Amino acid sequence: AQKITQTQPGMFVQEKEAVTLDCTYDTSDQSYGLFWYKQPSSGEMIFLIYQGSYDEQNATEGRYSLNFQKARKSANLVISASQLGDSAMYFCAMRAWNRDDKIIFGKGTRLHILP
Amino acid sequence: DTGVSQDPRHKITKRGQNVTFRCDPISEHNRLYWYRQTLGQGPEFLTYFQNEAQLEKSRLLSDRFSAERPKGSFSTLEIQRTEQGDSAMYLCASSLTSGAQETQYFGPGTRLLVL
Repeated sequence: AQKITQTQPGMFVQEKEAVTLDCTYDTSDQSYGLFWYKQPSSGEMIFLIYQGSYDEQNATEGRYSLNFQKARKSANLVISASQLGDSAMYFCAMRAWNRDDKIIFGKGTRLHILP
Repeated sequence: DTGVSQDPRHKITKRGQNVTFRCDPISEHNRLYWYRQTLGQGPEFLTYFQNEAQLEKSRLLSDRFSAERPKGSFSTLEIQRTEQGDSAMYLCASSLTSGAQETQYFGPGTRLLVL
């Protein structure tokens, strides 16, 4: 069975510091994609970054980077130079390409950026 | 605004009433997904469409739930005889089938409260 585990229910980080949000996953599939979404209090899920299982380089998108360690089945999100607007819920998610088309989400990490 | 839109944003209803939610995907996207998110959890897959065909339904989707996408554009999700356990955020997402990196883009959600 596929599973996403986010072990940090909440985190407090000082503004301008870097923060790492942990994500581990479990799948027997060889072809899969990993996603991170941000959900502010308004409720909308905002796509942040994607990593394919065959991608050799870690994905980066602006201040977001994904620390992909395939052997450990880990896909941590790193936010550099955190800003107050980064305060939100963050969800790690996975989709196995040859299995079906739905995304499996973790339970999320609530990030609080302190001024 | 060319993102995914959902209507209504909030719905309060009494137990036993029927409710219907609408989702308008990004115009060129051929896939449309429905998810349910309860407090403290990540979104859970309910069903999805490719064009007008409903391709998969989760076991979470009881007989009281029905979804349609009659012309392959907007979709509706109807819940009949609502129960208090149906209270949740209902999220719609759309995507364009594009091989490995198929990213789902989410709407703002419809927050349902069943009294």
